[in-house]
Amino acid sequence: GAVVSQHPSWVICKSGTSVKIECRSLDFQATTMFWYRQFPKQSLMLMATSNEGSKATYEQGVEKDKFLINHASLTLSTLTVTSAHPEDSSFYICSARDSARDTQYFGPGTRLTVL
Amino acid sequence: AQSVSQHNHHVILSEAASLELGCNYSYGGTVNLFWYVQYPGQHLQLLLKYFSGDPLVKGIKGFEAEFIKSKFSFNLRKPSVQWSDTAEYFCAVTAGGAGNMLTFGGGTRLMVKP
Repeated sequence: GAVVSQHPSWVICKSGTSVKIECRSLDFQATTMFWYRQFPKQSLMLMATSNEGSKATYEQGVEKDKFLINHASLTLSTLTVTSAHPEDSSFYICSARDSARDTQYFGPGTRLTVL
Repeated sequence: AQSVSQHNHHVILSEAASLELGCNYSYGGTVNLFWYVQYPGQHLQLLLKYFSGDPLVKGIKGFEAEFIKSKFSFNLRKPSVQWSDTAEYFCAVTAGGAGNMLTFGGGTRLMVKP
């Protein structure tokens, strides 16, 4: 099946710093990628839809100035958590839509811990 | 907007028992339906999907699901579970096209006792 990677898999940072998370589709092109957040023992919550070459669409309640999304190529989307605070600590998961299979495939997730 | 509900939050079964996990969605139009599985420490993987055609779809590892339009349901089944099926299972829906955003259910945590 289609493979999606995320980097880093785990990051620990100090409060106030910015963290960039990369999401790559390794064997297919993805015009659309999605960013989710998963809290412990809860389901995934969609944060934003990332479209290649255009601005991301954010879900209600998600601060676009805090969670910057860039989808500069058909295989890469990045999520930057700016001025991170402890409450931003979470598991961030991306998915990429494989249009040939009409299905989203998920990355392994990035665990962010803000001290 | 569509929503998805999974009625069982936790399920504990013994090996060889049969499994059925409930999933109901609310949306009046065309939907695409998915079941994803997340094994401990691993990322979400697609188990099976339904777009159209035969409402009984078969997925990997012996899983199947049946789309019943009149009940807005897409229950996941497996006749005989194994210890290795211990995982969290998520039902998800896209409305009006699979390229649209996925709406997830709350997940069902399955534990299979050896």
